[in-house]
Amino acid sequence: GQNIDQPTEMTATEGAIVQINCTYQTSGFNGLFWYQQHAGEAPTFLSYNVLDGLEEKGRFSSFLSRSKGYSYLLLKELQMKDSASYLCAVLSDYKLSFGAGTTVTVRA
Amino acid sequence: EAQVTQNPRYLITVTGKKLTVTCSQNMNHEYMSWYRQDPGLGLRQIYYSMNVEVTDKGDVPEGYKVSRKEKRNFPLILESPSPNQTSLYFCASSFSGKFNEKLFFGSGTQLSVL
Repeated sequence: GQNIDQPTEMTATEGAIVQINCTYQTSGFNGLFWYQQHAGEAPTFLSYNVLDGLEEKGRFSSFLSRSKGYSYLLLKELQMKDSASYLCAVLSDYKLSFGAGTTVTVRA
Repeated sequence: EAQVTQNPRYLITVTGKKLTVTCSQNMNHEYMSWYRQDPGLGLRQIYYSMNVEVTDKGDVPEGYKVSRKEKRNFPLILESPSPNQTSLYFCASSFSGKFNEKLFFGSGTQLSVL
């Protein structure tokens, strides 16, 4: 599978901004996904990037640089409900591989 | 409501006792997949199916079986469970499994093998 790296944990304050980085090494790149997973629940889709650049969707944005094998998920105006794990997943040769996830804790 | 339904939600069993975890989707999706999730390892694919009667191994297929006799159902079978199969299992589906299609996940099955 692909080598996908993301930080294990991050902590931020309510109302702040947090950036979750994801680096990957792969061939046959078909796209990169971000999923959100609250504790004990199923992952839910957040974003998909296949071209370089920034995709904005409300408070969440996702960036991709294919040449650098790098993506980030930007969470703005953090709310308590954003406390969750964020999973980076790379689609390569039509096979999806997930990173271990980044647990974000939002503090009041 | 469009959904992926997994059962049971929790399961405790003993080594060697065959079990089946069911998965059903009502979205007419062609692609279905099973993942296990372990701390520090993320989601790892066990098996996937591109269509009825078509199944393929994922990254960690050892000790598991699947079948796809109907489009909506994709059960996961553990013929002789072992403690290293204690994990959180997710079933997922998408329209065709390609390109930018997001996966729809079931609620998960927490399995403990004693």
